[in-house]
Amino acid sequence: EIVLTQSPATLSLSPGDRATLSCRASQNVRTYLAWYQQTPGQVPRLLIYDASNRATGIPARFSGSGSGTDFTLTISGLEPEDFAVYYCQQRSNSFTFGQGTRLEIK
Amino acid sequence: QVQLVQSGAEVKKPGASVKVSCKASGYTFTNYHMHWVRQAPGQGLEWLGIINRSGGSTSYAQKFQGRVTMTRDTSTSTVFMELSSLKSEDTAVYFCVRDRTDAFDVWGQGTMVTVSS
Repeated sequence: EIVLTQSPATLSLSPGDRATLSCRASQNVRTYLAWYQQTPGQVPRLLIYDASNRATGIPARFSGSGSGTDFTLTISGLEPEDFAVYYCQQRSNSFTFGQGTRLEIK
Repeated sequence: QVQLVQSGAEVKKPGASVKVSCKASGYTFTNYHMHWVRQAPGQGLEWLGIINRSGGSTSYAQKFQGRVTMTRDTSTSTVFMELSSLKSEDTAVYFCVRDRTDAFDVWGQGTMVTVSS
């Protein structure tokens, strides 16, 4: 099973800051990686697919990069609604999720 | 609009089985595979398995092999997930999720399954 390790577990930042979230895969997943955002009480929302493609309706401040085993989700200029939990997910070999990064207000 | 509407909350005793349904609308049901994902209270997302768009093929996470069964009824655009031999650790919200081949794009509202004696 491919294990996805997200870091940090919790990230404390202020509105307007830049957030950098990491996802590392235990094996090469090429670019078959997606990012999801989950706010309290809500279902996850697709942000990024195929490592770097923004889903429909996702603001340009969200960007994804990486390939192989190392991936990054960057949020430039945090808005209040961005404070949430973020999950990466691979689909290269079966399907697995990372354990999540909680982005909280500092 | 595209929607996945799941059945209501369930309370089960240890050792029992639960069957959750997920009715799709707003799109061509047979064009998309469907997954089931769960989330224990305060925890992350865990993939259970996939049923292909025709319903003829399934693949389950190794952890759930032998305990989970996914089926679909194309006449009613509904998918089902049955989990047997329930344990307290199976207490979670269970989601059905549409697969558009490059990501999971539409999620059901979730079904809370509580396992308690």
